[in-house]
Amino acid sequence: EDQVTQSPEALRLQEGESSSLNCSYTVSGLRGLFWYRQDPGKGPEFLFTLYSAGEEKEKERLKATLTKKESFLHITAPKPEDSATYLCAAYSGGSNYKLTFGKGTLLTVNP
Amino acid sequence: DAGVTQSPTHLIKTRGQQVTLRCSPKSGHDTVSWYQQALGQGPQFIFQYYEEEERQRGNFPDRFSGHQFPNYSSELNVNALLLGDSALYLCASSPDVNYGYTFGSGTRLTVV
Repeated sequence: EDQVTQSPEALRLQEGESSSLNCSYTVSGLRGLFWYRQDPGKGPEFLFTLYSAGEEKEKERLKATLTKKESFLHITAPKPEDSATYLCAAYSGGSNYKLTFGKGTLLTVNP
Repeated sequence: DAGVTQSPTHLIKTRGQQVTLRCSPKSGHDTVSWYQQALGQGPQFIFQYYEEEERQRGNFPDRFSGHQFPNYSSELNVNALLLGDSALYLCASSPDVNYGYTFGSGTRLTVV
């Protein structure tokens, strides 16, 4: 069964202090690794899809990378508005159409 | 262009009652999935509908059922509500699962 584990569970940063979030996955035949941002009481907002090991994608202060076992979300010089829960999800394809999510990392950026 | 629309936004039900949640997918999207997200947890897959058929189901009891209409909108029904069914219910749509899913803002269900 597909499994996704995110670490740390919570991360508190000072504004401008760069860091990385980790997403480890155990998926038979990964077809896609998704990163979402979720604000309190809202639905997940799509950030990135990564399809193959070595792939990288960037958006503003965020960069996502993928290896054969894990993905990282790097946050460079974060701002308070980057505070949110970051979710990663794996998709294995074939007859399996669901996304398997991790529990998320709650990021708090203090001014 | 409207994204995924869910209604109602909040709902309070009594244990044992039945509830229906509604979802309108993003324009151009024909696949609808439902997820349950408990507080502090990641979303858990309930089921997916495509061409008005349930294409895949997660580990949820038969109390959870759904429907997809010809216009691709969908309903999630939960019977015999339990306190443990209290959660944020998310609807997600996609034109092709390989391109990921767009999520709605969810329905917050509280069972008392």
